[in-house]
Amino acid sequence: GAGVSQSPSNKVTEKGKDVELRCDPISGHTALYWYRQSLGQGLEFLIYFQGNSAPDKSGLPSDRFSAERTGGSVSTLTIQRTQQEDSAVYLCASSQRTSGYEQYFGPGTRLTVT
Amino acid sequence: QQQVKQSPQSLIVQKGGISIINCAYENTAFDYFPWYQQFPGKGPALLIAIRPDVSEKKEGRFTISFNKSAKQFSLHIMDSQPGDSATYFCAAHTYSGAGSYQLTFGKGTKLSVIP
Repeated sequence: GAGVSQSPSNKVTEKGKDVELRCDPISGHTALYWYRQSLGQGLEFLIYFQGNSAPDKSGLPSDRFSAERTGGSVSTLTIQRTQQEDSAVYLCASSQRTSGYEQYFGPGTRLTVT
Repeated sequence: QQQVKQSPQSLIVQKGGISIINCAYENTAFDYFPWYQQFPGKGPALLIAIRPDVSEKKEGRFTISFNKSAKQFSLHIMDSQPGDSATYFCAAHTYSGAGSYQLTFGKGTKLSVIP
């Protein structure tokens, strides 16, 4: 079946602009995760959704970052007033299990802020 | 306490050799330890995982060794092949205490297998 998909695959934006990144999880997966991967670094946890609910938003780096999930499926990560330090690959993962033991990742969106 | 420390940062192994990547953690609340393989331009792919009540798990050429008392775990790739050249991440799973479950990742090991 289809895996996790993300769009766009690449996004170049000017500093100060808002961007929206989209994630389509594997059908039937109730848990959804967003991570950020900076060059040469590991994956930084951003936010977890169980269904449409995000019980813990403390991983978001600043209040410029927000995320929502609708219909228990598609999720959007929004970054307002982008800064150069936001440049990274943003990865989405989904899991069939609430606890997220087996997470399956999408290909990521490479965001470049100029 | 939430960190997972991974070493080495990079590794070069001859074809047919054994690749060994190590990870260490402090948080005893971690309850599941997966390894992910990532090729350039792709998302990480789940490779193999272990729970702390097991000392070793083997799947094909990939083996996880887990030492609960030392709070360390490692990935062994037997008979390493050029196609194994990728970045490998260890991770540890926990409940964050705020209704959220998350994986904490090591910084990755770039493996190069040379013919």
